[in-house]
Amino acid sequence: KAGVTQTPRYLIKTRGQQVTLSCSPISGHRSVSWYQQTPGQGLQFLFEYFSETQRNKGNFPGRFSGRQFSNSRSEMNVSTLELGDSALYLCASSLTSGGAGAGELFFGEGSRLTVL
Amino acid sequence: AQSVTQLGSHVSVSEGALVLLRCNYSSSVPPYLFWYVQYPNQGLQLLLKYTSAATLVKGINGFEAEFKKSETSFHLTKPSAHMSDAAEYFCAVSPRRTGANNLFFGTGTRLTVIP
Repeated sequence: KAGVTQTPRYLIKTRGQQVTLSCSPISGHRSVSWYQQTPGQGLQFLFEYFSETQRNKGNFPGRFSGRQFSNSRSEMNVSTLELGDSALYLCASSLTSGGAGAGELFFGEGSRLTVL
Repeated sequence: AQSVTQLGSHVSVSEGALVLLRCNYSSSVPPYLFWYVQYPNQGLQLLLKYTSAATLVKGINGFEAEFKKSETSFHLTKPSAHMSDAAEYFCAVSPRRTGANNLFFGTGTRLTVIP
């Protein structure tokens, strides 16, 4: 069974540009969550989508957005990039968005974004 | 607000020695608690999860954790460290009554195993 796939794995952008990251969840998983990982702030929750609907949103500015498609694949977008957006962006999929399976996340290897 | 505190950003143990990684949580209601592991250049992998069914939770790779409400702790242990256990470990909490996948992670503990 294929795991969570994130593309691209590495990318370099300059300030002011925008970026789109993609995530393909494990087959059958309908929940996709995004996390930002930085040395200074650690792992922070960005948002969660379930069946194409945003279920939860973390405390990030509106420059960070996401969406989910009918096949459960998800994208996140960051507009007007800032130096502080340099991070590892992790996508995680899950069978459920609540209940007994809560928090059982399967992570991808991440997309490492560098903003110059 | 929910949060977890991991004591010790770096822990070193000898191969074969006991592993003890500390985590304390802060929550107004009994939360779901997790330990995840991250190997270099990889995503996170779930080690174990507490959901109030049992206070001692067994996970993968010989790890286990004990939930102690009186101490608000959820420490991770393994009786005998192996070289392959070297990684970063994250404790996380999910509030039970709200969105379940928006986990709050601790700052992580990097485990080094000395041969």
